[in-house]
Amino acid sequence: GEDVEQSLFLSVREGDSSVINCTYTDSSSTYLYWYKQEPGAGLQLLTYIFSNMDMKQDQRLTVLLNKKDKHLSLRIADTQTGDSAIYFCAEVGEGNKLVFGAGTILRVKS
Amino acid sequence: NAGVMQNPRHLVRRRGQEARLRCSPMKGHSHVYWYRQLPEEGLKFMVYLQKENIIDESGMPKERFSAEFPKEGPSILRIQQVVRGDSAAYFCASSRPEQGLEQYFGPGTRLTVT
Repeated sequence: GEDVEQSLFLSVREGDSSVINCTYTDSSSTYLYWYKQEPGAGLQLLTYIFSNMDMKQDQRLTVLLNKKDKHLSLRIADTQTGDSAIYFCAEVGEGNKLVFGAGTILRVKS
Repeated sequence: NAGVMQNPRHLVRRRGQEARLRCSPMKGHSHVYWYRQLPEEGLKFMVYLQKENIIDESGMPKERFSAEFPKEGPSILRIQQVVRGDSAAYFCASSRPEQGLEQYFGPGTRLTVT
């Protein structure tokens, strides 16, 4: 079945780059997503990438996809304290349902 | 354009009571998904509905849980005879028919069973 795994915790200094990693199992996934969840809030769709792409850049966010290794990463440039949150990687499972990883807690130190 | 609305935001129920969670999708969205997030875990798919139809309920527990999305009004997730293990955050997402892969989430309902 589908499974998504992420590193649990990342701590960076303000101004540094953050890289959050994710591996997935379903090679037929057409889309892969990054969501952000702030404390007590819902999920905010940050970005997504089609499986036929290797990279997508959107302002401070860069998504890299390695289909061979089924590895997805999210790089946040010039990380700010407002970026502190939980970041979820997700793949599209059967029938449009999203399969989420357990989330990576990003802590930004000022 | 208002986002996905969920209410209540917080719900406290005693064991054995019923919980009703409501979700109003974004304007123009006719597809609704429900997900559950247990403490310190990721979200798990529960059910996928279109207006008046359940498309996929493979993630729903077999007993006590039901969902509907009527022609008029919000989608409802109903949990009968709640138990402590039902305590979680329940999130609703919606999408357009032609953009099923872009799901936008509501703020969630945090259910606490005492």
